[in-house]
Parts: sequence; C-alpha cells; structure tokens
Amino acid sequence: QQPVQSPQAVILREGEDAVINCSSSKALYSVHWYRQKHGEAPVFLMILLKGGEQKGHEKISASFNEKKQQSSLYLTASQLSYSGTYFCGTRAGGTSYGKLTFGQGTILTVHP
Amino acid sequence: ETGVTQTPRHLVMGMTNKKSLKCEQHLGHNAMYWYKQSAKKPLELMFVYNFKEQTENNSVPSRFSPECPNSSHLFLHLHTLQPEDSALYLCASSQGQISTDTQYFGPGTRLTVL
Repeated sequence: QQPVQSPQAVILREGEDAVINCSSSKALYSVHWYRQKHGEAPVFLMILLKGGEQKGHEKISASFNEKKQQSSLYLTASQLSYSGTYFCGTRAGGTSYGKLTFGQGTILTVHP
Repeated sequence: ETGVTQTPRHLVMGMTNKKSLKCEQHLGHNAMYWYKQSAKKPLELMFVYNFKEQTENNSVPSRFSPECPNSSHLFLHLHTLQPEDSALYLCASSQGQISTDTQYFGPGTRLTVL
C-alpha cells in the first residue's frame, strides 16, 4: 500500500514556507525524501528512521511521527531552486533495507 | 551526480522491436532496481536485484526481461511492447542490508512505444 502525500501541489513565492506530509497505513521503519526536477533523476534529500528523529538539510528539514506513521518535510524561506516534485518513499516496519514504496508526489513551484 | 548512469536517455521503438536499456552504478553498491515512472503516477517498482540475484518481481509482464550480470550493471530487455509502456524508466542502486539503506537514482530512459 503506497503512502499518501499531501498536498498534491503547492505554489509559493520566494521566501515563503511550505510543509509536505507523507502518511502511511503501515508501521514504518524509515521514510526517505526525494526531489525530482523535470527531466532529471530523483535526488535523495534525507532519511528518517523510526524513533521520531528530526533531521535537517540547510533550510529543508523533516520529522517522523511514529505514532501517526507520518512524516513531514519542512521547507523554510523557499528558493527558486526548491521547485520540483517531492516524493516520499517508505519502508515497512521490520525491514531495514530493500523495497521502498513511493507516494504520488507533491509538485512544488516557487515563483520570484 | 554520475554515480548511476543510464543509456540511452531517450528511446523510440515500434511494438515489434527488441531493445535493451542499460544501467551502471559506480558506487560500489550491492542492490539494483528498475522503476517505471508514468505521468501522474507514483514510482512503480519493477525488479530488485541483490548481489546479482533477483529478489523481487513486482508482477511485471514478461515483455520486460531484466538481467544483472554483476553488481555494477543492470539491463532491461524489451520486446513486443505496448504503447502504454511508454514512460520514464529509472534505475537505482543501494548499499543493501544496512539500516540506513538509501537508493540513488540514475537520470532515466524516456521510452516511447509507437
């Protein structure tokens, strides 16, 4: 069962913030966030392991709520380069490696 | 990022053709993956290879035939495809068997079936 991302699309002006959510009906071991620009490969952003850990990557950070089986990606003070489609990939509980199941993606557009 | 390369980048083929997609990873990883990415759909896992052995076939039609001769190379052989097979085919690799196993993607092959 694939995770569900929300919202499906976000439009921002430079400097604004956004939150993208990824929810699963299964107990998760890890959540992986990727960004894909048009015509390019998905680029790995960060991994969240079960335990509610929050991680950061410059102005992009994420959290993992194990009780809710939900991860949120936070983009602060957005830049034009943040535009793209954001995917979460989830790995079910009990498996530390192997198959990822991806959400449908969230299209983020940042305007000047 | 040149860790995972794919060739060709674009491919147009007729339904009766036979072609192959190639993926090569330079990251020393042990696991390799094929995904299909269609418009407005999530990434669909097709095949997984771990240490050259196929560990997952996600109910993929037999007109797609994977081959993994070693841990660095992965092929996807195509024959008698259908127009609905047109999509971006992505290859990925990962270390495998570690708690922070992360997949790294190649740029993809844009396939058009006429």
